[in-house]
Amino acid sequence: DAKTTQPPSMDCAEGRAANLPCNHSTISGNEYVYWYRQIHSQGPQYIIHGLKNNETNEMASLIITEDRKSSTLILPHATLRDTAVYYCIVRGRNAGNMLTFGGGTRLMVKP
Amino acid sequence: DGGITQSPKYLFRKEGQNVTLSCEQNLNHDAMYWYRQDPGQGLRLIYYSQIVNDFQKGDIAEGYSVSREKKESFPLTVTSAQKNPTAFYLCASSIGQLYGYTFGSGTRLTVV
Repeated sequence: DAKTTQPPSMDCAEGRAANLPCNHSTISGNEYVYWYRQIHSQGPQYIIHGLKNNETNEMASLIITEDRKSSTLILPHATLRDTAVYYCIVRGRNAGNMLTFGGGTRLMVKP
Repeated sequence: DGGITQSPKYLFRKEGQNVTLSCEQNLNHDAMYWYRQDPGQGLRLIYYSQIVNDFQKGDIAEGYSVSREKKESFPLTVTSAQKNPTAFYLCASSIGQLYGYTFGSGTRLTVV
């Protein structure tokens, strides 16, 4: 699976949009981009995933560049409860492809 | 409500003892996974199972063992051979390759 690069930490003001970047320059054509988040001392929570098109759900939006080498997770109106570690993961669809969690981005939402 | 349950939430073990962590799911998921997380680090895969009565080693399987006798259950045993077992252990399940994983709330194991 392709490796990802994320900034180790980011701050965001409450009520503002949080834009979390992820680089995955070695992604291959059949690999999806997944985002999870982990609130302190809890299990990771699935947020969103995509292949090439932009995706939106009730939690967030995922913007994938046209060359698929990077993506951005957008939390449109960050709240204090969005403070967490956010993991960007690239994974193929073949059997045996596991989710590999790197260090992630620690997002701190401040009042 | 469907979900994945890990127990206990906190576990203390003396050095040299084996201990078993429970993971049960009622989501009818075929695949189940065990991860280990150390403070400030990401998750590392210990074992996974894609079907009943079959499982494979992950990246850090040494000192651990699993079984998958039922679809709903995937217990992890931390043996005395695991040199540094103090960690946060997370179990997950998946319906398949597309939709990602559902995680339990974790078990924090401390060796005393």
